[in-house]
Amino acid sequence: QQQVKQSPQSLIVQKGGISIINCAYENTAFDYFPWYQQFPGKGPALLIAIRPDVSEKKEGRFTISFNKSAKQFSLHIMDSQPGDSATYFCAASMGSNYQLIWGAGTKLIIKP
Amino acid sequence: KAGVTQTPRYLIKTRGQQVTLSCSPISGHRSVSWYQQTPGQGLQFLFEYFSETQRNKGNFPGRFSGRQFSNSRSEMNVSTLELGDSALYLCASSPITGQGAYNEQFFGPGTRLTVL
Repeated sequence: QQQVKQSPQSLIVQKGGISIINCAYENTAFDYFPWYQQFPGKGPALLIAIRPDVSEKKEGRFTISFNKSAKQFSLHIMDSQPGDSATYFCAASMGSNYQLIWGAGTKLIIKP
Repeated sequence: KAGVTQTPRYLIKTRGQQVTLSCSPISGHRSVSWYQQTPGQGLQFLFEYFSETQRNKGNFPGRFSGRQFSNSRSEMNVSTLELGDSALYLCASSPITGQGAYNEQFFGPGTRLTVL
């Protein structure tokens, strides 16, 4: 029940296309859902995060869509660029225990 | 502010040895978490320290241990190294001030440990 399931494991998208990464969770007590971006040789860095009181959050080309009833959330990258090529991790935590539960990661490659 | 620093960046050890990794959090951050990252297992949570106390622990054997000092710097130790311990060990600090709220984790670049 503590798991966060992330898909796909890897993704190749043409430059200018939309990249979509999905995550699903079981624990309804989760109330914070961040996405982290990791470039080779670097640690993960927070990209965007959402709380379950909203269904969508947009920051530039990055959007989180949140479906509370389906217990799913996804990251959309619009107009994907080669510089977006990285590994993306979704995660979840609950207010009483701020430990992050991580998805397995998605390696995204944007082809020029 | 300087970011999270980890030393050393690369380490090669042999089976049976022990290793100590160091992490200096962002100034003012009191929470430090450690993760093991491998290609097959993703990010696995090791433990989290806050004000020198271990508050959370992942599902790792007792060979993995850590501590936090009064200046919030943290070390993790792995004893009796096994080949499977080869991984990138990441440290993350957070400005968490107490229970009941989530704060962003800021990651260091990691220590790449290779066990031969």
